[in-house]
Amino acid sequence: NAGVTQTPKFQVLKTGQSMTLQCAQDMNHNSMYWYRQDPGMGLRLIYYSASEGTTDKGEVPNGYNVSRLNKREFSLRLESAAPSQTSVYFCASSLNGGGPYTFGSGTRLTVV
Amino acid sequence: AQSVTQPDIHITVSEGASLELRCNYSYGATPYLFWYVQSPGQGLQLLLKYFSGDTLVQGIKGFEAEFKRSQSSFNLRKPSVHWSDAAEYFCAVGASLGGAQKLVFGQGTRLTINP
Repeated sequence: NAGVTQTPKFQVLKTGQSMTLQCAQDMNHNSMYWYRQDPGMGLRLIYYSASEGTTDKGEVPNGYNVSRLNKREFSLRLESAAPSQTSVYFCASSLNGGGPYTFGSGTRLTVV
Repeated sequence: AQSVTQPDIHITVSEGASLELRCNYSYGATPYLFWYVQSPGQGLQLLLKYFSGDTLVQGIKGFEAEFKRSQSSFNLRKPSVHWSDAAEYFCAVGASLGGAQKLVFGQGTRLTINP
């Protein structure tokens, strides 16, 4: 009963470095999402994938790319990290439109 | 575009007291509404949801929320809080978008419990 698994849990990057955040779900959900959480701003949607093979931009997509590798996995890539991308990143999934989300435990990223 | 406002950034209540956390939403159609709770360093856990039907919904951990369309509100309540309820609470409104449900979150309300 793992639910949504995110790796890594913590990461420190230097400005300009790249990295990929991994997310996998084992609930056979169709839709997956990446959010970032910043103090006082709630959670903001970066990208989402309605189903395997599709991805779309959310509220704050600049500086990020995503890949829906298969039904289970949805990765988030920072090509050239910037200090403004310091945040906590959450992956979530839902069965389909109308279903509630299940969240991962988050990745705390610091860009120095 | 849909939006959610949680007017209270931080609330402090005494253990055993009642609790009400406010949430106002903006959405053109009938909304899907959610309350999530986040303990420090953890992900978000679903407390309850409203899709349709009875406007008073029951959730886990003794929480309930009431949907009031006329006030565009979905306030969260608990009759008697416990120290373990200290956490951050997020209200969210959902809408189907391209086959996926996109949740828009409020800024959150941090709840502190006094012993």
